[in-house]
Amino acid sequence: AQRVTQPEKLLSVFKGAPVELKCNYSYSGSPELFWYVQYSRQRLQLLLRHISRESIKGFTADLNKGETSFHLKKPFAQEEDSAMYYCALSGRGTDKLIFGTGTRLQVFP
Amino acid sequence: KAGVTQTPRYLIKTRGQQVTLSCSPISGHRSVSWYQQTPGQGLQFLFEYFSETQRNKGNFPGRFSGRQFSNSRSEMNVSTLELGDSALYLCASSPPEGTGGLETQYFGPGTRLLVL
Repeated sequence: AQRVTQPEKLLSVFKGAPVELKCNYSYSGSPELFWYVQYSRQRLQLLLRHISRESIKGFTADLNKGETSFHLKKPFAQEEDSAMYYCALSGRGTDKLIFGTGTRLQVFP
Repeated sequence: KAGVTQTPRYLIKTRGQQVTLSCSPISGHRSVSWYQQTPGQGLQFLFEYFSETQRNKGNFPGRFSGRQFSNSRSEMNVSTLELGDSALYLCASSPPEGTGGLETQYFGPGTRLLVL
């Protein structure tokens, strides 16, 4: 079965603290993994994808095929990081995205 | 470039009615996907169109249908509306493969449908 699991509905941290948003997936084959973010009153937008191996806004995510995980990390959280974060996967040859249920990140001053 | 646009932005219907939602992708994008977002189920894939052909379909009843026109604009239709169809319907478009770079899917603002 194709599934994305985000175990935390809400993650609250103070500014400057490290952040890790967990994502585990189930997929037969080699999926592409993504993190999408939705800031308050804004559109859903791509944050990063595993094949680019880039750091966006200080966030990184490493694909661990052994643990089927794609956790999102940032060493020092900022208040402007407060948003809803969705982990998603896609198969080859399709734009269909399977989303996790999302984790709301709250960063307190 | 203008972003993905969706019309209408808000809609109120009653049970049993039907509704048509429209999505205009970014110029040059040929792939359009639709998603339903609800507090209970989260983001769920409805269908995906590419060059006027449905390339993929999610697990939704036949009351949900869609189509894509030659200019890549897409519509989705929901017939015999039920209370549970109340949701935010999101459309996303993608550039041709190999040209997307980091950003490969662009989402519209959504159409919020309320079924009474």
